[in-house]
Amino acid sequence: EAGVAQSPRYKIIEKRQSVAFWCNPISGHATLYWYQQILGQGPKLLIQFQNNGVVDDSQLPKDRFSAERLKGVDSTLKIQPAKLEDSAVYLCASSQEGVYGYTFGSGTRLTVV
Amino acid sequence: AQSVTQLDSHVSVSEGTPVLLRCNYSSSYSPSLFWYVQHPNKGLQLLLKYTSAATLVKGINGFEAEFKKSETSFHLTKPSAHMSDAAEYFCVVSDPGAGNNRKLIWGLGTSLAVNP
Repeated sequence: EAGVAQSPRYKIIEKRQSVAFWCNPISGHATLYWYQQILGQGPKLLIQFQNNGVVDDSQLPKDRFSAERLKGVDSTLKIQPAKLEDSAVYLCASSQEGVYGYTFGSGTRLTVV
Repeated sequence: AQSVTQLDSHVSVSEGTPVLLRCNYSSSYSPSLFWYVQHPNKGLQLLLKYTSAATLVKGINGFEAEFKKSETSFHLTKPSAHMSDAAEYFCVVSDPGAGNNRKLIWGLGTSLAVNP
């Protein structure tokens, strides 16, 4: 079974620029998650999708972050404009209905300078 | 409210000696509990999970964890550490919700170093 695919692996941008990350979950996984992991901390949930609907985006900074999953498969997370404190690894995960535990992608490491 | 406390931020062991990573949780419900491992510059990998079946859970790479309700603990152990076990380990509790609306509550992580 192919894993959760994310791209790019690394991204360096200047503050106030925009950036987008892409995630393709495991085939058949209805639920998709975006997490932010700042160095030295545990992952923080940004947004959860069930198919193409948003289940939880309570911790998404909506003034600068947006995410979509238009066809209920792959998803993009965008930051516009980026701030220095957005430097982190952005992890995508997916899960199957009724199954405990998520499968994570390798993440995108964002550095904002 | 659910919470997770990893009692050690850093653990150092010698290769071939036992590993113990401690985790306590707080939950008003019957929790689901997980251990994830994260190797440097790699994604998170599920080591094992407890979901109200057997209290002693066996995972990958020789790790296991025991759910002790009376102690509200879910400590991760391995009889003999290998150099490849050096990584960050996260204890996680699942906040109950309907279907896939469960939230994961993450501990702050324990960094495991294995010395030759």
